[in-house]
Amino acid sequence: EAGVTQFPSHSVIEKGQTVTLRCDPISGHDNLYWYRRVMGKEIKFLLHFVKESKQDESGMPNNRFLAERTGGTYSTLKVQPAELEDSGVYFCASSQVWSGYTFGSGTRLTVV
Amino acid sequence: SQQGEEDPQALSIQEGENATMNCSYKTSINNLQWYRQNSGRGLVHLILIRSNEREKHSGRLRVTLDTSKKSSSLLITASRAADTASYFCATDAWRGSEKLVFGKGTKLTVNP
Repeated sequence: EAGVTQFPSHSVIEKGQTVTLRCDPISGHDNLYWYRRVMGKEIKFLLHFVKESKQDESGMPNNRFLAERTGGTYSTLKVQPAELEDSGVYFCASSQVWSGYTFGSGTRLTVV
Repeated sequence: SQQGEEDPQALSIQEGENATMNCSYKTSINNLQWYRQNSGRGLVHLILIRSNEREKHSGRLRVTLDTSKKSSSLLITASRAADTASYFCATDAWRGSEKLVFGKGTKLTVNP
């Protein structure tokens, strides 16, 4: 079974640019989550999809972040425009019912 | 207040020694999990302990949970250089959403 796939693995962009991160969950997993770890700080929840619906987006930091999951399969997280404080590692995870999370390898975003 | 706060923040030991990391949390939980992150890479699930369990073992890992003290510990026995990583505990709230709340983690260095 393929795991959770995230790409790119690393992205370096300039402040003000747009970046789109992608997450492919494990096939058949209805639940998809985004988390991020800003340098040296704790890993924080961003949002939770159930299929294509946003179940909980309480962790989204501001309106520069837009997450979508069209068709309930893969998800994208767009940051527009990117700011320096957005640098960090963005993790995606998926689960089915309460089967436990499987995390992807993360995308390291560096905004310069 | 932050859930899942680990201590120590950093721990350096010699290969073969045991490593103990602690985690405290503040609200009632459903499960507590421990994860590992190797130098900026993805999160790897180590072990899950349910709120009605007190101790769990998996290979060289031993996890304890004391719900009266709202604390957990992760013991790694006979450590290896490959155990060098950051370790995080994560909790999901009782009757809450399925989102996980992570702490800042313990950075473990195992010297050969």
